Formats: sequence, structure tokens, C-alpha cells
Amino acid sequence: DAKTTQPTSMDCAEGRAANLPCNHSTISGNEYVYWYRQIHSQGPQYIIHGLKNNETNEMASLIITEDRKSSTLILPHATLRDTAVYYCIVRGVTVPRGAQKLVFGQGTRLTINP
Amino acid sequence: GAGVSQSPSNKVTEKGKDVELRCDPISGHTALYWYRQSLGQGLEFLIYFQGNSAPDKSGLPSDRFSAERTGGSVSTLTIQRTQQEDSAVYLCASSDWKGGNYGYTFGSGTRLTVV
Repeated sequence: DAKTTQPTSMDCAEGRAANLPCNHSTISGNEYVYWYRQIHSQGPQYIIHGLKNNETNEMASLIITEDRKSSTLILPHATLRDTAVYYCIVRGVTVPRGAQKLVFGQGTRLTINP
Repeated sequence: GAGVSQSPSNKVTEKGKDVELRCDPISGHTALYWYRQSLGQGLEFLIYFQGNSAPDKSGLPSDRFSAERTGGSVSTLTIQRTQQEDSAVYLCASSDWKGGNYGYTFGSGTRLTVV
């Protein structure tokens, strides 16, 4: 799986958009970009994933650059409950074995300030 | 069930004892994963089951660690002769065969403390 690089920590004011960057310059054509977050003392939570098109769901938006070498997770209106470690992961899907394991890096510790 | 269930939620054991940790995945999910997270650290992959295929054991740290998945559903992670460095939160996750369009669903974990 391709390696990702994320800032160690970020701060954002409550109510503002939080933009979390991720570099994955060695990503290959069949690899997806996944984002998870881990709130203190809980298991990781899936947020969103994408291949090459921008994606949006009820939690966040994912913007992937045209060359797919980087992406940004956007939390449009951050709340205090969004304080967590955010993990950007790149992973392929192989057939017939199916999914491969997710390899978690150190992630970005996002703190939402009141 | 609606989510991934792990038991016990907390386990304190004496050094040298064996422990078993249980994971009930989401019904119908064919893939099941075990991770562990030591205090203040990231998630470390341990083992992965996919359907009837041989498990990927590449993350198991030593031969004291083993896991089974019976009937393609419930999984048990066994740690023999526990050591203090085994203290961690052990997390289980499951997904559908494609890895899940919605990714993995994690349980709340088992916090293991070896004293």
C-alpha cells in the first residue's frame, strides 16, 4: 500500500471549516483514499473514501487532486465533537481475495477550539 | 447485530496467564481484522480473515498470539503467557468482501492490562 504523509497536529475554531491535508505521491491507479477518525477511547470510525472524483457525504467532503497525489478532507462546520485523530489511508482492493488490510499511520490530531 | 461487539471490554490479568478476547462481527461481513493500540500509539495490524481463505497473520508479534474464526463469524484472539508489553487496547473490525464501500466498522475494543 502507498504511504501517506499528514501533519502531526492541527487546530481549528468551532464553526469553521477544518481542512486536513494528506500526501500520497506514490498512489497507484487501483488504490483508494480512505479517511478514518478516532475519538479518544473509541475505535476508529469510517468517514469517507474516494478513487479520483471528489466525494461528499453527511460527515465530510473529500477533495482529490487531479494527479491523485494528494487529498484534503473537509469538515465544513467543525464542532467540539470533531476533536479526534484523523487517519488518511491508501489501499487497493484485490480480487478474488477481496479487501486488503488497512495500514494506519500516525494521523493528524485535530483539536477544535471553542 | 448492528455493530461489531467485543468482549470483555476490560481485562486485567497476571503476567504469564493466557487470555482470550472475543469479537462478534457484523452479520454477513466476510472480512474480520484484529488490531492493537498501545497507550498513545497508532493502530498496529495483527491478523486478517477473509472468507475461507487462509488468514493473513503477518502482523502477529510472536507465536504467543493466535486467532481463530469459527464458522466464518465469531473470532477469538488468544494471547498465551501474557507479558506486560501486551497491555493495550485490542480492536476488532469487520467489512464486507469488497472491503466495504463504507469501509471497516470497528468495535469498541478490549482494554487488556497485564500486571
